[in-house]
Amino acid sequence: AQSVTQPDIHITVSEGASLELRCNYSYGATPYLFWYVQSPGQGLQLLLKYFSGDTLVQGIKGFEAEFKRSQSSFNLRKPSVHWSDAAEYFCAVGPILTGGGNKLTFGTGTQLKVEL
Amino acid sequence: DADVTQTPRNRITKTGKRIMLECSQTKGHDRMYWYRQDPGLGLRLIYYSFDVKDINKGEISDGYSVSRQAQAKFSLSLESAIPNQTALYFCATSVRLAGTDTQYFGPGTRLTVL
Repeated sequence: AQSVTQPDIHITVSEGASLELRCNYSYGATPYLFWYVQSPGQGLQLLLKYFSGDTLVQGIKGFEAEFKRSQSSFNLRKPSVHWSDAAEYFCAVGPILTGGGNKLTFGTGTQLKVEL
Repeated sequence: DADVTQTPRNRITKTGKRIMLECSQTKGHDRMYWYRQDPGLGLRLIYYSFDVKDINKGEISDGYSVSRQAQAKFSLSLESAIPNQTALYFCATSVRLAGTDTQYFGPGTRLTVL
């Protein structure tokens, strides 16, 4: 069965500092990988996704993520965090063989706090 | 206008009551999903539907039922609500394009069962 681990429940960074949110997955083949962000009181917004090809994926709001097959990881990064990035971030994995995201498994989320 | 809408956005009900949460989409997607979100547990899939005649259980379907009234509408029902169904519920849609499939989420419905 597929699974996703986000080892950091809470992370606090200063505005302007760099950010890395960790995501490790378990799946028997190459999965589809996603990062979503949930701002307070809002739904989930897609930040970026990986299906195949270049392992460094660019997303919206200046975020990027790198797929590392050897480490079963898909960490999310941003070089300079803005106060508006404070939110909860979810990593998700979907099985490639059944069309990708139709049965997503989510991690438990990482709550990001940004100090001014 | 939002592509995926959910009604109501907030609902408080009592144990034993029947509740229906509705989801509508204007994205033209054929696939729709219902998730619940609980603090510390992330999102878990309740039901999903790949077209009007296709309904599938997710990992936590007990106590829930769904109806796909049209391609654009997917409703979630709690036949007899219980307090541990208090959660944030999300609807999502997707369509398969070029072998890929990305889900887009509605704003959520916060349900409280007293």
